Amino acid sequence: LAKTTQPISMDSYEGQEVNITCSHNNIATNDYITWYQQFPSQGPRFIIQGYKTKVTNEVASLFIPADRKSSTLSLPRVSLSDTAVYYCLVVTGGGNKLTFGTGTQLKVEL
Amino acid sequence: DAGVIQSPRHEVTEMGQEVTLRCKLISGHNSLFWYRQTMMRGLELLIYFNNNVPIDDSGMPEDRFSAKMPNASFSTLKIQPSEPRDSAVYFCASSFRPKGTGDTNTEAFFGQGTRLTVV
Repeated sequence: LAKTTQPISMDSYEGQEVNITCSHNNIATNDYITWYQQFPSQGPRFIIQGYKTKVTNEVASLFIPADRKSSTLSLPRVSLSDTAVYYCLVVTGGGNKLTFGTGTQLKVEL
Repeated sequence: DAGVIQSPRHEVTEMGQEVTLRCKLISGHNSLFWYRQTMMRGLELLIYFNNNVPIDDSGMPEDRFSAKMPNASFSTLKIQPSEPRDSAVYFCASSFRPKGTGDTNTEAFFGQGTRLTVV
């Protein structure tokens, strides 16, 4: 399973765009990339999933370059309520086993 | 659907006692995951089931831990005997795993967790 590396923490201000980059250098051909968000005292919540190029939903965008060795989660115009831990995961294609790393603690301030 | 339901939400027990955590899956889901979260070790996958069958239990700490799925919608995680180092928040999550190998679904739904304190 591909190991993921992401920043331990990031700070931002309300209204800014936040980009969190994750490295997964040994990602396999059939692996997918997925991101989760976790608020204090709650379970993680799915944000977005992608395989290549760009995926966008109502919450975020996921950018994956051609070599797929990294991915970037983009949160447009963050608010205080986006303060949370964000996890990048690599999942084997056809499977659904989720192995979480340490995540990135995003803190949004006024 | 009410989502994944875990019980109890909080449990305080004495060392050596048996603890049973419960989880009700979302209707129609066929995969079940048990996780443990602590500040020191983060979010650890303990075991996961597909179609009621344990697929990977390599994360189960030791023989004191056991998990079962008596039916497709319910699971239990039992710790016997419990120890102070088992204190953590335990989450269960459910998802739907497509039958086709060409489909990948990474969306899992987590319960609110059970905060276990062993004194």
